[in-house]
Amino acid sequence: DTAVSQTPKYLVTQMGNDKSIKCEQNLGHDTMYWYKQDSKKFLKIMFSYNNKELIINETVPNRFSPKSPDKAHLNLHINSLELGDSAVYFCASSPSLIVAKNIQYFGAGTRLSVL
Amino acid sequence: SQKIEQNSEALNIQEGKTATLTCNYTNYSPAYLQWYRQDPGRGPVFLLLIRENEKEKRKERLKVTFDTTLKQSLFHITASQPADSATYLCALGFQKLVFGTGTRLLVSP
Repeated sequence: DTAVSQTPKYLVTQMGNDKSIKCEQNLGHDTMYWYKQDSKKFLKIMFSYNNKELIINETVPNRFSPKSPDKAHLNLHINSLELGDSAVYFCASSPSLIVAKNIQYFGAGTRLSVL
Repeated sequence: SQKIEQNSEALNIQEGKTATLTCNYTNYSPAYLQWYRQDPGRGPVFLLLIRENEKEKRKERLKVTFDTTLKQSLFHITASQPADSATYLCALGFQKLVFGTGTRLLVSP
């Protein structure tokens, strides 16, 4: 069983469209995250949620809206896609926000290409 | 400004040798530092976590050191194998992890 699964794996779309990426974890973790990895492979946190509550929002444009219907799911909706949104988006989870337990488990990534 | 720097150039070594990767940070005072491995097309995978009061941590062929005075962590892979070829990322932080840019390791047979 995949611990952190995200869909789709690939997403190719036109500028201006709206798209969603879904993420589910079956590890029983309290905390989930979205990261963006750009073309230079720099991995940067976007959001974190703990028990469905938003904890971190890293000055991401408000075109990006995360939603956590329950603590096992964290979806990412992106409105009005721009060329600069092209990247690999990773979902991750960790047992809690406590640093000693903050080992993160990543999904396989969603490669978003905006044309 | 805060920075986490890893050698951006790939590290090429021969199988059987020890690989040493460096992570330097500035303007952080982390209590913990983590190392992850990332293979192409995959998400990072956790390897080791070291606390500020631990000088060294080992796991099988992996060893991590953490020098809070030098603001540096070293990551060693002994008896390296081609299967160790990957990008290695260091990360530190409290509620959020900040990742370094990673160093690509290539182990040739």
